[in-house]
Amino acid sequence: AQTVTQSQPEMSVQEAETVTLSCTYDTSENNYYLFWYKQPPSRQMILVIRQEAYKQQNATENRFSVNFQKAAKSFSLKISDSQLGDTAMYFCAFMSYSGAGSYQLTFGKGTKLSVIP
Amino acid sequence: ETGVTQSPTHLIKTRGQQVTLRCSSQSGHNTVSWYQQALGQGPQFIFQYYREEENGRGNFPPRFSGLQFPNYSSELNVNALELDDSALYLCASSLVRGEGTQYFGPGTRLLVL
Repeated sequence: AQTVTQSQPEMSVQEAETVTLSCTYDTSENNYYLFWYKQPPSRQMILVIRQEAYKQQNATENRFSVNFQKAAKSFSLKISDSQLGDTAMYFCAFMSYSGAGSYQLTFGKGTKLSVIP
Repeated sequence: ETGVTQSPTHLIKTRGQQVTLRCSSQSGHNTVSWYQQALGQGPQFIFQYYREEENGRGNFPPRFSGLQFPNYSSELNVNALELDDSALYLCASSLVRGEGTQYFGPGTRLLVL
């Protein structure tokens, strides 16, 4: 079974600074997908960024970028120029084929990020 | 484009009762997945529906069941509610059944007393 580990339960960052959230995963598969989702206190889960395991290039979405190290099974999220609206719970998630045509997401326990003015 | 919607937003039930939660997928999305998120935890996969059939299930007992309708909307039914069923229930839709990105609704908060 796949597992996702987020070792930082809580983090804080000053507004406009850069912060990196860590994620490691365990799998024996070669083809899979990795995601970072953001869940603000309003609770709607919002996609931040997606990475395909077969792509060597790290994904980037505006201020958000990842450092994907396939051999190390590591997938960290870097947030540049942090903004107050980035305050949220961040979940790392792993997607792979789970049988019967189904692809399921396995989530980590989350990192609570607070951006301080 | 309408996003994923869920109803109701909150629900209170007593142990042993049955509950039905509803989800409307994002426009054009044909696959729906349901997740349970206990307080302070990441979501856990319950099951996925494609073309009105269940095609993948997590480690949840049979009293968790679902339906998908021709318009791709979906229901999650839970029978014989237990206290541990108290959680946020999230629905997610995706454009393709495969490795398509899943987009989440706002969730239904269920409290079982």
